[in-house]
Amino acid sequence: GNSVTQMEGPVTLSEEAFLTINCTYTATGYPSLFWYVQYPGEGLQLLLKATKADDKGSNKGFEATYRKETTSFHLEKGSVQVSDSAVYFCALSDLADSWGKLQFGAGTQVVVTP
Amino acid sequence: DAGVIQSPRHEVTEMGQEVTLRCKPISGHDYLFWYRQTMMRGLELLIYFNNNVPIDDSGMPEDRFSAKMPNASFSTLKIQPSEPRDSAVYFCASSLSGEPTDTQYFGPGTRLTVL
Repeated sequence: GNSVTQMEGPVTLSEEAFLTINCTYTATGYPSLFWYVQYPGEGLQLLLKATKADDKGSNKGFEATYRKETTSFHLEKGSVQVSDSAVYFCALSDLADSWGKLQFGAGTQVVVTP
Repeated sequence: DAGVIQSPRHEVTEMGQEVTLRCKPISGHDYLFWYRQTMMRGLELLIYFNNNVPIDDSGMPEDRFSAKMPNASFSTLKIQPSEPRDSAVYFCASSLSGEPTDTQYFGPGTRLTVL
């Protein structure tokens, strides 16, 4: 079956540092890829998504590019803020496997210090 | 729209008691999902509904868990009897369609503690 692997946390950064969270996937078909973010005490919310190869999703200064050749969807932000402290989940949805249900990685906690 | 609404936000109960979690999806969304989040297992999909009909309940851990969706604006997840290992955060999510490209909108979750 399909799976999502993302780097373990916690990732601790200083404000204005560059952030990268690696995400790789295995998929039977041609999945859609997502990054969800969970702020403390809240539910998950969509950060960005990409639905086909070479698509770039972007939102709130975050970016991720769908790389089919390397089966990756790494999340990046050029200058993080304390308010970016959260848990970030990479996820995929693939009609060719499990009716397209959303499959999540384990999550990566990011801590940004002033 | 108010988003997905869940209640209660926190629930503390004793082992053996019945627990009912509630969810109101976003109006017009045809799909509703129940997830469980724990440190050990991460996010797990328990069950999902399409137009109020349960479609896939393969993630429901055992017969103690049951879920219903009597109408388009309300769903419940019931645990009877509850056990300490059921302690987790339970999320409800909804989406407009079941398309792989569609976004799921999550509620704030119910933190369940079973003593």
